[in-house]
Parts: sequence; C-alpha cells; structure tokens
Amino acid sequence: RKEVEQDPGPFNVPEGATVAFNCTYSNSASQSFFWYRQDCRKEPKLLMSVYSSGNEDGRFTAQLNRASQYISLLIRDSKLSDSATYLCVVNVINDMRFGAGTRLTVKP
Amino acid sequence: NAGVTQTPKFQVLKTGQSMTLQCAQDMNHEYMSWYRQDPGMGLRLIHYSVGAGITDQGEVPNGYNVSRSTTEDFPLRLLSAAPSQTSVYFCASTDLNTGELFFGEGSRLTVL
Repeated sequence: RKEVEQDPGPFNVPEGATVAFNCTYSNSASQSFFWYRQDCRKEPKLLMSVYSSGNEDGRFTAQLNRASQYISLLIRDSKLSDSATYLCVVNVINDMRFGAGTRLTVKP
Repeated sequence: NAGVTQTPKFQVLKTGQSMTLQCAQDMNHEYMSWYRQDPGMGLRLIHYSVGAGITDQGEVPNGYNVSRSTTEDFPLRLLSAAPSQTSVYFCASTDLNTGELFFGEGSRLTVL
C-alpha cells in the first residue's frame, strides 16, 4: 500500500463547479500536511498547508481527519486557471511523502 | 529572487555515462533535497542534506551521489547512467519554520 494515496483523476469540470479531492495516508505518526499544485511540465508549488481545525484560503478549503487518516481539498467556483495537478504531501518526522497527484481540468 | 536554480533543464545521456545536476539556493535554507518524479508515482526522495557537510540517503539513493560543501549548493551526481534513471529530477530547499519546500524548475533526463 502506498504511504500517500490519491485518486489520479482526471477530474473534468465546468467553470464555476465545486470539486473535491481526497488523499489518504498510512502513517499515523504523520505530523503535517500540505497541498501542492503542479502545472504541466513545471515544478510543484505550495498551495496551502492543512491545519487540524481546517483552513480556508479564498476559494480553497482544506480539511484534515486524523482519525480516518485523510485530508481533503475543496475548490469552489472553479476557474480555467485552476487546471493543474494537485499533490497531497505528508510530513513524517521531516520526511516528506508525496501522493502521485490528482489531475484537474476546468473547461469553459 | 532566484530561489532555487537547477541546471540543466534537459539532458540526454547514453547508458554508462556520468553527469552532475547542479542546484543552488539563495534563501539560506539548511535543508535541501533531491527528488525524482516518474509517471503515476509521487515524488520520491533520492538524497537530502540538513546542512553543509551533512548528507543522507532517501528512499531511492542507488546510483546517485551528493555532496554539500556549502549551504547554497547541493549537486546530484549520476555515477553510471542507466535507462531506469530516465526521469524528471527536482531539487528542493525547505523553510524549516513553515515546512514549505521550494523547488527548482526541474531537470528532464533521458538515458538511452
């Protein structure tokens, strides 16, 4: 079983839609959690950290469920510019583990 | 702000050749790392360094060497390239206060 698992997608949604991604992790000692965004043929960039109480940044909401060992990312009012691959990242004692990514395409 | 600078962007090697991927950061981060990214897989850690003079192996270190003579530079050496090392390589520098990784633009390596 992979340490960090994501649905690879692709998710194809119309502009304005709400879309949610989940990510599960296997190591209960995981300490911190992040979502990164990676555009095609580019480097990953931090989208947002995920806090225990959940957090929001504009149209993006991240949630953490430690009991079930998953994190989620909700994107509201999708824009064409949201088209990218979203990587779930879990930190286990300063060892960052990456999911394979979920590909999102937002269509006009 | 240059951030993390990684070269070359593209490289084609023949089996058995050696090469070095260069990585430099100007953020004074102690922690640097090298990853490879293959289709359908997450980024996998090759080697990392917690400071000048200190390096350690990650998840997939075989066939690669690193050194860290300065805080700024963290080169990755392929000793004898193999087709299985065809991949996209990313160097990263970590802000330990926030946990955020800053990546270089990536190096696409093809080994024939």
